Amino acid sequence: DAGVTQSPTHLIKTRGQQVTLRCSPKSGHDTVSWYQQALGQGPQFIFQYYEEEERQRGNFPDRFSGHQFPNYSSELNVNALLLGDSALYLCASSSEVLKGDTQYFGPGTRLTVL
Amino acid sequence: AQSVTQPDIHITVSEGASLELRCNYSYGATPYLFWYVQSPGQGLQLLLKYFSGDTLVQGIKGFEAEFKRSQSSFNLRKPSVHWSDAAEYFCALRPMNTGFQKLVFGTGTRLLVSP
Repeated sequence: DAGVTQSPTHLIKTRGQQVTLRCSPKSGHDTVSWYQQALGQGPQFIFQYYEEEERQRGNFPDRFSGHQFPNYSSELNVNALLLGDSALYLCASSSEVLKGDTQYFGPGTRLTVL
Repeated sequence: AQSVTQPDIHITVSEGASLELRCNYSYGATPYLFWYVQSPGQGLQLLLKYFSGDTLVQGIKGFEAEFKRSQSSFNLRKPSVHWSDAAEYFCALRPMNTGFQKLVFGTGTRLLVSP
């Protein structure tokens, strides 16, 4: 049973560029959440997708957007990159049916903005 | 607003010694509580979780945690630390009164294991 997968593993961009990160949830999961983890910090919630809709959003600007596909996979897009966007981006999947269920995390994508 | 506090940024423990990592939370009711571990350059792995019932929760790798409502705490313990336990540990909560599954994390405690 494949767990949560993310691609790419690492990414280097320059300020002002745009980036797309991808996530495939654990088998049987239908909800995807994205988190940003800056160096030395705990993960911060960006947003959550369920039924192809953004259901909840953290305190992140509109430059951060996402999408969920019918197969439950998800993308995170960041426009007009800033140096401060450099971080590890984590995707987590869970099951809506089991509301008390656990979020399972992928290995993350390390984004460096130069 | 919900928040999680991990008061210890770094902790060093000798191999074979016992470990306790502290976690305090702020929330109006009893939340779901989690401990995750993160090895360098890796994602988060779930160690254990508390939803309800027995306040002493057993997890993987010999870890356990005790929920204390009166102290708003959920401390992680291990009786004998192994060198492979060196990692970053995160406590997190998820509010119970919402269908959404957003997690609120603490800032983490880095565990160093000395020989």
